Amino acid sequence: AQTVTQSQPEMSVQEAETVTLSCTYDTSESDYYLFWYKQPPSRQMILVIRQEAYKQQNATENRFSVNFQKAAKSFSLKISDSQLGDAAMYFCAYRTSDSNYQLIWGAGTKLIIKP
Amino acid sequence: DVKVTQSSRYLVKRTGEKVFLECVQDMDHENMFWYRQDPGLGLRLIYFSYDVKMKEKGDIPEGYSVSREKKERFSLILESASTNQTSMYLCASSTPALAKNIQYFGAGTRLSVL
Repeated sequence: AQTVTQSQPEMSVQEAETVTLSCTYDTSESDYYLFWYKQPPSRQMILVIRQEAYKQQNATENRFSVNFQKAAKSFSLKISDSQLGDAAMYFCAYRTSDSNYQLIWGAGTKLIIKP
Repeated sequence: DVKVTQSSRYLVKRTGEKVFLECVQDMDHENMFWYRQDPGLGLRLIYFSYDVKMKEKGDIPEGYSVSREKKERFSLILESASTNQTSMYLCASSTPALAKNIQYFGAGTRLSVL
């Protein structure tokens, strides 16, 4: 069965600095999708970034980028120039390419931004 | 923008009550989901639906049922609420047609069962 592990329950970073959140997953599939979702204190979950496993190039969205290591089954999120609005729970999630439905979720990492 | 609306942000119910959590999406999405979120456990799927009147059990369906009579609305029902169902409930929707089936979430309902 596929699993997703986020080993850091909580991380903190100084405003304007860079922080990396880790995520590892276990799967025997070769084609799948990986996601990072953000849940701010107001609670609405939103997509931050996604990565298709067949793409070697790491996905980037403005200050957010991933380090996708397929062989190591690792999918970390890097946030550059951290801002107070980045404070949130961050969840890593996995989906196989042939599934229309189910995401497998990590337990989440709480990110604290220090002013 | 996709909008997923959950009818209540906070709900307090008594043990044994029948509880309805409502979710409506405005983007004609085929798929809808109910999750339960507890600290340290991430999101756990309760039920999902890929079409009207269709439903599939997720990882933790016990004690819950769902209803999808219209495409835009997906209801979660607690037939007889218990204290261990105190939690945050999140509704989501997605479509296979666009954007790699990204799930869009409602703001959540914090349910307390006393």
